[in-house]
Amino acid sequence: EVQLVESGGGVVRPGGSLRLSCAASGFTFDDYGMSWVRQAPGKGLEWVSGINWNGGSTGYADSVKGRFTISRDNAKNSLYLQMNSLRAEDTALYHCARRAGGIYGMDVWGQGTTVTVSS
Amino acid sequence: VIWMTQSPSLLSASTGDRVTISCRMSQGISSYLAWYQQKPGKAPELLIYAASTLQSGVPSRFSGSGSGTDFTLTISCLQSEDFATYYCQQYYSFPFTFGPGTKVDIK
Repeated sequence: EVQLVESGGGVVRPGGSLRLSCAASGFTFDDYGMSWVRQAPGKGLEWVSGINWNGGSTGYADSVKGRFTISRDNAKNSLYLQMNSLRAEDTALYHCARRAGGIYGMDVWGQGTTVTVSS
Repeated sequence: VIWMTQSPSLLSASTGDRVTISCRMSQGISSYLAWYQQKPGKAPELLIYAASTLQSGVPSRFSGSGSGTDFTLTISCLQSEDFATYYCQQYYSFPFTFGPGTKVDIK
């Protein structure tokens, strides 16, 4: 079964750090680019960051640039998001999603991990 | 950054209706556009990619059109399971951006 499972969320104080992980299974991980997408409570979807199949190309939303770092380990079929200098507005459900690249959309999503930034 | 608008933000409709949702880009993106459906408490699901290609397993009542800056999602005959929120997303260039969403609810 094709699956993405996020972990690493939790409650953190403003200014703190967290590292999210996304474990992939059921498909050839390095055939796909990956993204992190978040959704704050009651709000819409926000694309956070993306990485191509080999990690050679990465992108970030302006809201997280300079604070978050995306990476992947193809040997471990895993995607990561290092989040530093967290703010209250980073509170959200964080999903990872895969995309084959080129013309294809994000066709498989994880159920998400919750990050709460609060003092 | 490519900015996106979606209209309407809320659409009240009845089962059997034909509904149309529009998405407009701040600059041309060729056909690098996807549409997603999201139901409460669930992850989004891909409906359409490359502006008009139906994702495998998605009912044929869903269709997409457009290129450049203007795109449309059409549901030809609304079913009860289609009441949800719909998002467009461009993946022409980083940062990939989502539209603000269109909630389709029961009239």
